[in-house]
Amino acid sequence: GAGVSQTPSNKVTEKGKYVELRCDPISGHTALYWYRQSLGQGPEFLIYFQGTGAADDSGLPNDRFFAVRPEGSVSTLKIQRTERGDSAVYLCASSLMASGVYNEQFFGPGTRLTVL
Amino acid sequence: SQQGEEDPQALSIQEGENATMNCSYKTSINNLQWYRQNSGRGLVHLILIRSNEREKHSGRLRVTLDTSKKSSSLLITASRAADTASYFCATPHGNNLFFGTGTRLTVIP
Repeated sequence: GAGVSQTPSNKVTEKGKYVELRCDPISGHTALYWYRQSLGQGPEFLIYFQGTGAADDSGLPNDRFFAVRPEGSVSTLKIQRTERGDSAVYLCASSLMASGVYNEQFFGPGTRLTVL
Repeated sequence: SQQGEEDPQALSIQEGENATMNCSYKTSINNLQWYRQNSGRGLVHLILIRSNEREKHSGRLRVTLDTSKKSSSLLITASRAADTASYFCATPHGNNLFFGTGTRLTVIP
């Protein structure tokens, strides 16, 4: 079946611009996660949705970052006034349910964001 | 901040040899997971070991967990060139995963 998809696969933008990154989770998965991965590092948690609501947004670095999931399926990560330090691979993952005990997440291929 | 640290940061071996990667973490866990990542993109779940397990096997993978030392190891036996990738350990906290810094494995044909 179809896995998690993310678009675009690559995004190049200029400092100060606004960008949107899209994630299509696996159908039926209620939990959705965004991570950011800088070069040579492991993924770092940004935000987690259970259904339509952001259950945990403690990983968002500042108020330039925002994410939505209005219908409980597709999610969009929005970054305002981009900075060069925002350059990274943004990964999306989904899971069937969030149990807090066993949590296998299925990852998308990521969006590589480059801020010039 | 990330939860775990992998050791070594990079590992290069000949095809057919075994590869061992270690992971240390900081807080109590219910389980520990290992993921593989090719070319800095999507991660693939490899294996999960629960806190009450000490060892687990899956194909050529063997994972150990020592909760007293807060450490885990991943052994890949009879490595292949296709095993070349980055390997991360991850621990769940609430509904999130905290990843280590990863080990970059290169298997030379």
